[in-house]
Amino acid sequence: GAVVSQHPSRVICKSGTSVKIECRSLDFQATTMFWYRQFPKQSLMLMATSNEGSKATYEQGVEKDKFLINHASLTLSTLTVTSAHPEDSSFYICSANLGQSYNSPLHFGNGTRLTVT
Amino acid sequence: QQQVKQSPQSLIVQKGGIPIINCAYENTAFDYFPWYQQFPGKGPALLIAIRPDVSEKKEGRFTISFNKSAKQFSLHIMDSQPGDSATYFCAASLTGNQFYFGTGTSLTVIP
Repeated sequence: GAVVSQHPSRVICKSGTSVKIECRSLDFQATTMFWYRQFPKQSLMLMATSNEGSKATYEQGVEKDKFLINHASLTLSTLTVTSAHPEDSSFYICSANLGQSYNSPLHFGNGTRLTVT
Repeated sequence: QQQVKQSPQSLIVQKGGIPIINCAYENTAFDYFPWYQQFPGKGPALLIAIRPDVSEKKEGRFTISFNKSAKQFSLHIMDSQPGDSATYFCAASLTGNQFYFGTGTSLTVIP
C-alpha cells in the first residue's frame, strides 16, 4: 500500500492566489522529505529538501519565497506555491525515505497537478 | 550536469518482447540504484533496486544488470505486456539522501 500520501491530487487556482500541497508519511516518521516538479514527458526535478524542525534546503534556481516549505512534524511536509502564475502550472510530487539506511528507497506520493489560470 | 544518463528516450516493443533500458553514471560514490515506473498522472513507484556489490537482480519479470567497472546498469523486462506501458526512470543515490534521476524512457508495448 501507499506509504506517502499527497493531497490534493488536482487543484486549479487563479493567478495571484496561493496553493498549499500536503505530503504525509504513513506509518513511519520522515525527518526528510523531498519535493519534485515534473513537466510533461520530462524527468523529475528536485526543488527542495524538507527537513523536520529546520529550514528547507532549496536547489539552485528555485525561489524559496515563492515555494514555501514547512515540515512541522515528522509525518507532514507542506509546499505552498505563493502568488501563483500560469508558468507555475506543473505536476508536483513529494517523496520520503522509508528508512535512514544508505540504501533506503524513495517512496513517492501520487503527485498534485496544479493548473493556474 | 546530468548525473545519470538514460537511454533510449522512447521504446516500442511487441507484446512478449524484452525491452532494455540503459543508464550510465559518473560518480563512483553512488551506492544504490533504483528503478521507478510511472503511469500518467501518478507518482513514480519503486520497481526494483540494486546495490553496487551485486551484478544482477531479478524480481519477477524485471531484471537489473549492473556493470560496476563500466558504470552502467540496465533494466530488462521479460515477456513484456501492454500493462507495462509506462515511463521508466533510473536513479542513483548517494547515502540515501540524494537521488539523481535519469531523463526517463517512455515504453509502449503493442498488443
